[in-house]
Amino acid sequence: AQSVTQPDIHITVSEGASLELRCNYSYGATPYLFWYVQSPGQGLQLLLKYFSGDTLVQGIKGFEAEFKRSQSSFNLRKPSVHWSDAAEYFCAVDDTGTASKLTFGTGTRLQVTL
Amino acid sequence: ETGVTQSPTHLIKTRGQQVTLRCSSQSGHNTVSWYQQALGQGPQFIFQYYREEENGRGNFPPRFSGLQFPNYSSELNVNALELDDSALYLCASSPSLGSEQYFGPGTRLTVT
Repeated sequence: AQSVTQPDIHITVSEGASLELRCNYSYGATPYLFWYVQSPGQGLQLLLKYFSGDTLVQGIKGFEAEFKRSQSSFNLRKPSVHWSDAAEYFCAVDDTGTASKLTFGTGTRLQVTL
Repeated sequence: ETGVTQSPTHLIKTRGQQVTLRCSSQSGHNTVSWYQQALGQGPQFIFQYYREEENGRGNFPPRFSGLQFPNYSSELNVNALELDDSALYLCASSPSLGSEQYFGPGTRLTVT
């Protein structure tokens, strides 16, 4: 069975600093890959997705992610974090081709200090 | 355009009872998936409906069941509630298979 690992449970960065959130998956082929953000008491908002093609994908709110097949990774990055980015971030994978039967990681909670 | 809505927002039930959660998909979306998110965890896939038919199921027992209606709204039913069913239940719709999903705000279920 496929799995998704987000090794960092909690990350704290200063406002204006760069950010990288790690995500690794275990699956033989290249699945569909996603990053979602969840603010307290809210549902999930899609930040970006990778289906195929260019391995560097741009998303909303200034986020980007890079798919590295050799490392089975899909890390999320942002060059300059804003206080409003504080939230829970989830990496998700779909290997069914439907893009809607997702396996999620356990999440990384981002705290932003001023 | 109206997004995905869920009702109720919060619910408290007693162990052994039954519960029905509702989801209204985004306009034009024919696919809906349900997820369970326990506290401190990522969401877990329960099942998916596509054009009113179940189209895949995660590792959940049969007491978790669902329906999708002709207008593509959906229900999640849970029978014989257990304490471990306490969680945030998320509904997500997509315009078709192979398209990304849009999540609703969730229903917080507490089983006592």
